[in-house]
Amino acid sequence: NAGVTQTPKFQVLKTGQSMTLQCAQDMNHNSMYWYRQDPGMGLRLIYYSASEGTTDKGEVPNGYNVSRLNKREFSLRLESAAPSQTSVYFCASSRGLNEGEQFFGPGTRLTVL
Amino acid sequence: KNQVEQSPQSLIILEGKNCTLQCNYTVSPFSNLRWYKQDTGRGPVSLTIMTFSENTKSNGRYTATLDADTKQSSLHITASQLSDSASYICVVSKKTSYDKVIFGPGTSLSVIP
Repeated sequence: NAGVTQTPKFQVLKTGQSMTLQCAQDMNHNSMYWYRQDPGMGLRLIYYSASEGTTDKGEVPNGYNVSRLNKREFSLRLESAAPSQTSVYFCASSRGLNEGEQFFGPGTRLTVL
Repeated sequence: KNQVEQSPQSLIILEGKNCTLQCNYTVSPFSNLRWYKQDTGRGPVSLTIMTFSENTKSNGRYTATLDADTKQSSLHITASQLSDSASYICVVSKKTSYDKVIFGPGTSLSVIP
């Protein structure tokens, strides 16, 4: 089992460009999450999907959109990247909404110039 | 305000020595507390989970304690190894209609030979 996979691992964007971060899990988990991690701060929830077909805003959703494509895949889209979105992005999944351990992907390091 | 604070921010210890990391929280109502280990460039991995009624839980050389009355937890690492070098994140879940998860900023531990 690969667990939670994310692509790409690294990305550099110019201000105003768009991109989609991909996430997939093979643990048959119902819930999936997108976080960002900035130096000196805890992981902050951007969006989450409690189950296939549902998505909800987290703590810092502005500037992002998500799609729960199916049970396995949960993507994060930046429509018009800004330097404030420079961060490390983590996808995670769990059996149910905050039920049990959250399993994290390896992260995507994004730089917006 | 629901917060999770950790101390120290960073710590350097010699290989073989013990250390204790602290976590204080103001999250209420409390559901559970997890300690995660995050290696550089990787996603966090759960070490332990503690519920309200649990005072101590061990995972190999890692021992977590919880005092729900004072809202404090500690993570004790025994006989440290170079591979223990990582960030340790305290995560507290709030009991709501679903458990809301709040991440601490982490303690960066460096174990040196």
